[in-house]
Amino acid sequence: DAKTTQPNSMESNEEEPVHLPCNHSTISGTDYIHWYRQLPSQGPEYVIHGLTSNVNNRMASLAIAEDRKSSTLILHRATLRDAAVYYCILRDVNPGGYQKVTFGIGTKLQVIP
Amino acid sequence: GAVVSQHPSRVICKSGTSVKIECRSLDFQATTMFWYRQFPKQSLMLMATSNEGSKATYEQGVEKDKFLINHASLTLSTLTVTSAHPEDSSFYICSARDWGGRSYNEQFFGPGTRLTVL
Repeated sequence: DAKTTQPNSMESNEEEPVHLPCNHSTISGTDYIHWYRQLPSQGPEYVIHGLTSNVNNRMASLAIAEDRKSSTLILHRATLRDAAVYYCILRDVNPGGYQKVTFGIGTKLQVIP
Repeated sequence: GAVVSQHPSRVICKSGTSVKIECRSLDFQATTMFWYRQFPKQSLMLMATSNEGSKATYEQGVEKDKFLINHASLTLSTLTVTSAHPEDSSFYICSARDWGGRSYNEQFFGPGTRLTVL
């Protein structure tokens, strides 16, 4: 499996944007970039995913480098409820197949009031 | 989005007893479910993958006789921790794959079950 590298922790002030980086230099052409987050004592929840183009949804934006070797999850205005561990994961999605979601250490985001 | 539930959310048991955890996909059919375990301040570790109607596939180092998985229907999988010991105390999380007939399929996670073995 292609691996990802994330900082162990980051801090952000409330209501400021947060940029969470992820490096995935060994990404393959069929790997989708997924982001999940896990709030304390809860199961992970899906945040966003993309392949090549930048993506936006109601939770966040995903900026993908042109060479796809890195990506950045952007929270436009951090709130205290965004304090969580954020996981950047690569999934190779082939038609008719699947790949289990394997978690790394992730980035623990602390939001300061 | 699709909803996955787990029951119970918390369980405390005595050493040597068996504990069953249920995982249900509430609004979709899950041909495949996954079971994870998470120790404090660590990441989720995949324990096993179960497909409806067949035997589960366990990750290396996970004892299949200790962690019994049953996936008898498209909406229910159970994990039974047999003869639980304090070292089995952990946060157990299930995940279900929404096949949906699409080529791309998402994986949805349950809220987790906190197991404490005394």
